Amino acid sequence: DVKVTQSSRYLVKRTGEKVFLECVQDMDHENMFWYRQDPGLGLRLIYFSYDVKMKEKGDIPEGYSVSREKKERFSLILESASTNQTSMYLCASSSPTGVLTDTQYFGPGTRLTVL
Amino acid sequence: AQRVTQPEKLLSVFKGAPVELKCNYSYSGSPELFWYVQYSRQRLQLLLRHISRESIKGFTADLNKGETSFHLKKPFAQEEDSAMYYCALSGRGSNYQLIWGAGTKLIIKP
Repeated sequence: DVKVTQSSRYLVKRTGEKVFLECVQDMDHENMFWYRQDPGLGLRLIYFSYDVKMKEKGDIPEGYSVSREKKERFSLILESASTNQTSMYLCASSSPTGVLTDTQYFGPGTRLTVL
Repeated sequence: AQRVTQPEKLLSVFKGAPVELKCNYSYSGSPELFWYVQYSRQRLQLLLRHISRESIKGFTADLNKGETSFHLKKPFAQEEDSAMYYCALSGRGSNYQLIWGAGTKLIIKP
């Protein structure tokens, strides 16, 4: 079974703090993704990575950055947290090869509250 | 423009009634379509994909290229089907990104 884990289920931070969200997958997947999940808006892609040290902006990259130093780990960084970044953050991974190409496997999510 | 539309934010049906969750897409090419589901307090997971032509938990979905639709259907709803359902599209050459619909919350009433 694919396992995607996220460092925290719940996180409370103050405006202006630097926030790190960590995601680890154990299936040797090349692709990793960070999404925001907000009611009525569905999933919006923040950033994705298709290889170590490679990253691509998604639909809403403003206010975020990412790091992928190892294949299994993809970090999302909020440089200076703001209240409008209060949301559920989902990490996912997928492989571009094999029978289940493109199927994304999700972590449990991190609910971030910025006060 | 590439887009996935789920016209219903909320769908409520009685147990035992048929269920249809609508999904329409806009894509120039041959997309691959998916349905993902998120049960309460569980992670988002794949329910089915059109290329597999499977029936999962009694759900089926047929890709209708003429109507650009991929509706999810189940003949007899069960209470455990209550969840959030997302339709998604993958296009070749898209770096394997998925384009997501806004989701439909399905509530099955006893």
